[in-house]
Amino acid sequence: DVKVTQSSRYLVKRTGEKVFLECVQDMDHENMFWYRQDPGLGLRLIYFSYDVKMKEKGDIPEGYSVSREKKERFSLILESASTNQTSMYLCASSETDRGAKNIQYFGAGTRLSVL
Amino acid sequence: LAKTTQPISMDSYEGQEVNITCSHNNIATNDYITWYQQFPSQGPRFIIQGYKTKVTNEVASLFIPADRKSSTLSLPRVSLSDTAVYYCLVGVISGNTPLVFGKGTRLSVIA
Repeated sequence: DVKVTQSSRYLVKRTGEKVFLECVQDMDHENMFWYRQDPGLGLRLIYFSYDVKMKEKGDIPEGYSVSREKKERFSLILESASTNQTSMYLCASSETDRGAKNIQYFGAGTRLSVL
Repeated sequence: LAKTTQPISMDSYEGQEVNITCSHNNIATNDYITWYQQFPSQGPRFIIQGYKTKVTNEVASLFIPADRKSSTLSLPRVSLSDTAVYYCLVGVISGNTPLVFGKGTRLSVIA
């Protein structure tokens, strides 16, 4: 089974702190994604990456950056955390191969609270 | 990307068949229809995907009419454990362009 592991289930940070959310996948997938999920808003794409050192902005990249130095690891960075970034963050990965059907595999999520 | 519209919520009793319909009026020729399921405190997981007519697996069935402007996810004889949010996504399935998640349908199964 594909495994996508997010480093923390729960995280509490203070306003202005730099926050790192880490995600690791074990299936050699080319693509990795970061979403945030808020009540009533569904999943919104922050950033995605289709290769090492490559990144693409999603729908809501403001206030976030990402890093992908190795294929299996995709980090989401909040340069200066703000209270409106309190949310559930979900990481996912997928294959590029045509036969893979663009299926994303998700981690369990990190619930971040910014105080 | 084709926009999807699905009901915000649905309730059902245990043992009933549940049908969740998704509208995607501007679906493109190369688009597939994919459904995900998300349990509380978990990430979404893929359940079924189709292009036209009917697809069935061990979890659900997917019905797609000839014009492909809508699709229906069918869950046979639901149980309490089927309580979840169900997302309908439409888009190409090759390459690395991510599909767009909407707000989903919150299904509550009642004993």
